[in-house]
Amino acid sequence: GDSVTQMEGPVTLSEEAFLTINCTYTATGYPSLFWYVQYPGEGLQLLLKATKADDKGSNKGFEATYRKETTSFHLEKGSVQVSDSAVYFCALSEKAAGNKLTFGGGTRVLVKP
Amino acid sequence: DAEITQSPRHKITETGRQVTLACHQTWNHNNMFWYRQDLGHGLRLIHYSYGVQDTNKGEVSDGYSVSRSNTEDLPLTLESAASSQTSVYFCASGRGLSTDTQYFGPGTRLTVL
Repeated sequence: GDSVTQMEGPVTLSEEAFLTINCTYTATGYPSLFWYVQYPGEGLQLLLKATKADDKGSNKGFEATYRKETTSFHLEKGSVQVSDSAVYFCALSEKAAGNKLTFGGGTRVLVKP
Repeated sequence: DAEITQSPRHKITETGRQVTLACHQTWNHNNMFWYRQDLGHGLRLIHYSYGVQDTNKGEVSDGYSVSRSNTEDLPLTLESAASSQTSVYFCASGRGLSTDTQYFGPGTRLTVL
């Protein structure tokens, strides 16, 4: 079945540091890929997505590129802020599965001033 | 503005009691989902629905049930609450395509004593 693997946290960084969170996936077809973010005490919200190979999703300074050859969708940000402290989830959705998502385990990021 | 709400936000109950968690969305989305979030497990799908009168089991459906009598609501029922069902529960909705975003509610923290 489908699966998503992402690096375990917590990841602790200083403000203005570079952030990378690795995400790899296993899928039978050509899925859409997502990064969701969960701020403390809140539900998940979409951060960015890519729906086909080589697409780059971007939002709020975060970027991720859909790499079919390495089945990866790594999240990056060049200069993090304290407000980026959150849990980040990588997820995929197969065409045949409609809107159903398969999530990775989540990576907690803590940015210190 | 369209939204998705959950109630109650916090619930404490006793082992063996029946509990119902409410989820209401005003997006007019066909698809609705229930997840539970536990430390070390990320988000796991409990049940989902692709439309009125449609319900499907997810990966951790034992002990839970849902019914969909209208577009807006998907209540989650714990038939006989167990301590292993202590968790944070999230409801989500989406239009239907694999490329579509899922919109999450704020969550319900359930404690079973």
